[in-house]
Amino acid sequence: NAGVTQTPKFRILKIGQSMTLQCAQDMNHNYMYWYRQDPGMGLKLIYYSVGAGITDKGEVPNGYNVSRSTTEDFPLRLELAAPSQTSVYFCASSPNRVDYTEAFFGQGTRLTVV
Amino acid sequence: DAKTTQPNSMESNEEEPVHLPCNHSTISGTDYIHWYRQLPSQGPEYVIHGLTSNVNNRMASLAIAEDRKSSTLILHRATLRDAAVYYCILSLGGKLIFGQGTELSVKP
Repeated sequence: NAGVTQTPKFRILKIGQSMTLQCAQDMNHNYMYWYRQDPGMGLKLIYYSVGAGITDKGEVPNGYNVSRSTTEDFPLRLELAAPSQTSVYFCASSPNRVDYTEAFFGQGTRLTVV
Repeated sequence: DAKTTQPNSMESNEEEPVHLPCNHSTISGTDYIHWYRQLPSQGPEYVIHGLTSNVNNRMASLAIAEDRKSSTLILHRATLRDAAVYYCILSLGGKLIFGQGTELSVKP
């Protein structure tokens, strides 16, 4: 049981490049989330999804896009990378609304934009 | 979203109990109180959550004040592996909104 798997673990992007951060979970969870964490700060919610085909914005969605075509996968797309998007990105999932249950986090993707 | 206030850092000694406080004076009646921790270079890890009553699990205990405006996470015997940032979070509407957390250091 792998849990929440994020790829890649590290990436360096040039300004203006695009990339997709991958997130997959094998626990059949309906709810999935993307967070970013800047150095020395708490996590900020970017986007979340309550099931396949349904996504919604979190606290800091600008500059990002998501899709959820399957229960297992929740990719995060950066279209035009900017230095302000240098951060560690965490994906998470939960079996139900996270008010009532625990969320499971991946190990993170460390992204640097130069 | 309701906010939480935690001390920036705390120190404890190994094998002693640790009480991590959290204030949430603007909590609403349906906000759940969650605690997560983040070890260095790892993703957050669930610790415990509750609504009104005190809660216990294998990792910790959660003591919730009667007026729900504050709560305390209790680690019964701190170990070196408990050194982490501990986040107190209020959830409503299916989202966890993280604050700054408390950095706990454990001395041998």
